[in-house]
Amino acid sequence: RKEVEQDPGPFNVPEGATVAFNCTYSNSASQSFFWYRQDCRKEPKLLMSVYSSGNEDGRFTAQLNRASQYISLLIRDSKLSDSATYLCVVNRGFQKLVFGTGTRLLVSP
Amino acid sequence: EAQVTQNPRYLITVTGKKLTVTCSQNMNHEYMSWYRQDPGLGLRQIYYSMNVEVTDKGDVPEGYKVSRKEKRNFPLILESPSPNQTSLYFCASSLSTGTYEQYFGPGTRLTVT
Repeated sequence: RKEVEQDPGPFNVPEGATVAFNCTYSNSASQSFFWYRQDCRKEPKLLMSVYSSGNEDGRFTAQLNRASQYISLLIRDSKLSDSATYLCVVNRGFQKLVFGTGTRLLVSP
Repeated sequence: EAQVTQNPRYLITVTGKKLTVTCSQNMNHEYMSWYRQDPGLGLRQIYYSMNVEVTDKGDVPEGYKVSRKEKRNFPLILESPSPNQTSLYFCASSLSTGTYEQYFGPGTRLTVT
């Protein structure tokens, strides 16, 4: 079992739709959590950190459920420019970041 | 402009020919790291460095070496490249790995024949 698991997708949604991704992690000692965005074979860029209380940044909302060991990302009012791969990232401590394989999102007109 | 640079961006080489991929950051970050990205496997950490002269193995260190003689530079060395090291490589830096953002370089696409 992978330490961080994501549905690879692709998720095909029309513009304006709401879409949600989940990510599960296996190491209960994981300390911090992030969502990164990666456009085709380019460098990953931080989308948002994920806090225990949940956090929102414009159309994006991230949630953490420590009891069930998953994090989620909700995108409202999808734009064409949201098409990308979304990487779930977990800091398991000891300076080790673990990346999920990513969930691909395709937003169509 | 705050950035992480990598060179070369693309490299095709032959088995056994030593190569170095350079990484440099201008943000005075303490933490630097190297990853490789392969289809279906995601990004996997090769080596990381918490500061000058402090380096440690990540999850897939075999076949790689690193050094951190200056804070801004963190080169990745392949002493004897093999075809299974064909991959997309990313260097990253951050203030720390706690909650600090990782800044990635543009990537180096390496092919070993």
